[in-house]
Amino acid sequence: EIVLTQSPGTLSLSPGERATLSCRASQSVSSTYLAWYQQKPGQAPRLLIYAASNRATGIPDRFSGSGSGTDFTLTISRLEPEDFAVYYCQQYGTSPFPFGPGTKVEIK
Amino acid sequence: EVQLVESGGGLVQPGGSLRLSCAASGFTFSRFALNWVRQAPGKGLEWVSTISHHGDTTHYAESVKGRFTISRDNSKNTLYLDMNSLRAEDTALYYCAKSDYEFLFYRALDFWGQGSLVTVST
Repeated sequence: EIVLTQSPGTLSLSPGERATLSCRASQSVSSTYLAWYQQKPGQAPRLLIYAASNRATGIPDRFSGSGSGTDFTLTISRLEPEDFAVYYCQQYGTSPFPFGPGTKVEIK
Repeated sequence: EVQLVESGGGLVQPGGSLRLSCAASGFTFSRFALNWVRQAPGKGLEWVSTISHHGDTTHYAESVKGRFTISRDNSKNTLYLDMNSLRAEDTALYYCAKSDYEFLFYRALDFWGQGSLVTVST
């Protein structure tokens, strides 16, 4: 079973700054099967990135994903006020399809 | 517009049973795999189960295997989750989520419902 870890647990940044979030897998994950989601308080998660680097429909280009093997990264180039939220990675190539524990991006 | 509306949650005693439903609209239901994901209060997301577009393939998290059953009725555009032998640790908001590409099983989740709250307690 693949286990995902995310770091840091919390990221304190100011609007306009760059955010770099990490997702590490316990075993190699095909980049075809790695997604990132954003969740704001009281809302359902929203798909940001699929297949490691492809933005979902309607996602601004300040969000980008990269990585391969066991190390994946979500980058937010310039934080907007609406980007402060919790971000989860998920692998969906090998069952079970776990999520990582999440990274909270908070306003500094 | 894609819509997923969960229902059936509520308060149930430990050891009890509950059936969640997810009514879907705005897309060709029978072409997409569907999923249940849960979130305990104040905690992260936990994948629960996935069912293929035809309903002939299902996968479960170890934490629910043998207790929960996912199913679908493509004629009614509805997804189900039958939950038995419920435990306190099953208390969570249960989301229904659609896979993002038709006919494929191993996919990201592009649309989510607002969730149905299940509370397991005496």
